[in-house]
Amino acid sequence: QKEVEQDPGPLSVPEGAIVSLNCTYSNSAFQYFMWYRQYSRKGPELLMYTYSSGNKEDGRFTAQVDKSSKYISLFIRDSQPSDSATYLCAMSAEDSSYKLIFGSGTRLLVRP
Amino acid sequence: EPEVTQTPSHQVTQMGQEVILRCVPISNHLYFYWYRQILGQKVEFLVSFYNNEISEKSEIFDDQFSVERPDGSNFTLKIRSTKLEDSAMYFCASSASYGYTFGSGTRLTVV
Repeated sequence: QKEVEQDPGPLSVPEGAIVSLNCTYSNSAFQYFMWYRQYSRKGPELLMYTYSSGNKEDGRFTAQVDKSSKYISLFIRDSQPSDSATYLCAMSAEDSSYKLIFGSGTRLLVRP
Repeated sequence: EPEVTQTPSHQVTQMGQEVILRCVPISNHLYFYWYRQILGQKVEFLVSFYNNEISEKSEIFDDQFSVERPDGSNFTLKIRSTKLEDSAMYFCASSASYGYTFGSGTRLTVV
């Protein structure tokens, strides 16, 4: 079983749709959960960061963590063509090195 | 907004040559990292660096790799004898804790 699994997509939605992106993981030691956005041939850009279980909202983005199910989600409301990118989930255990384990990324296309 | 700067953006090298990838982390960050992403694959952890020493390294980070912080601002990744399979995007990152900032990457092509 892979440590972090993410549907690679691509996911194609019309502008204005609500987008749901998900990851599952197997390591119960993960405590820190992040979502990054990556444009083609660029570095990952941090979108959301959550500690342990719960929800976090930032503008059109909402991150959810369900540690009991080992499942995390990112919701994008009122999606825009500029949201078209690859979305990477990443997570880390509570240790001194803060090493991130990434999912494979979901490619999102928002059609005008 | 502070950013992590990487140079060069693209490096082409012959197999067996040494390359040095350079990074300027965010100035008040204490943790530094190198990750790589082979085309079409996951972003993979290579090494973390804290307090002037390696704090963790992956299986990928074998004896041909080394990292240095030669002065107060730069952080380098050296690959001693490049192989074709080292071709990838190499990302430097820095953080104060979790949720760190990545640079735009160096595309390394080994021919």
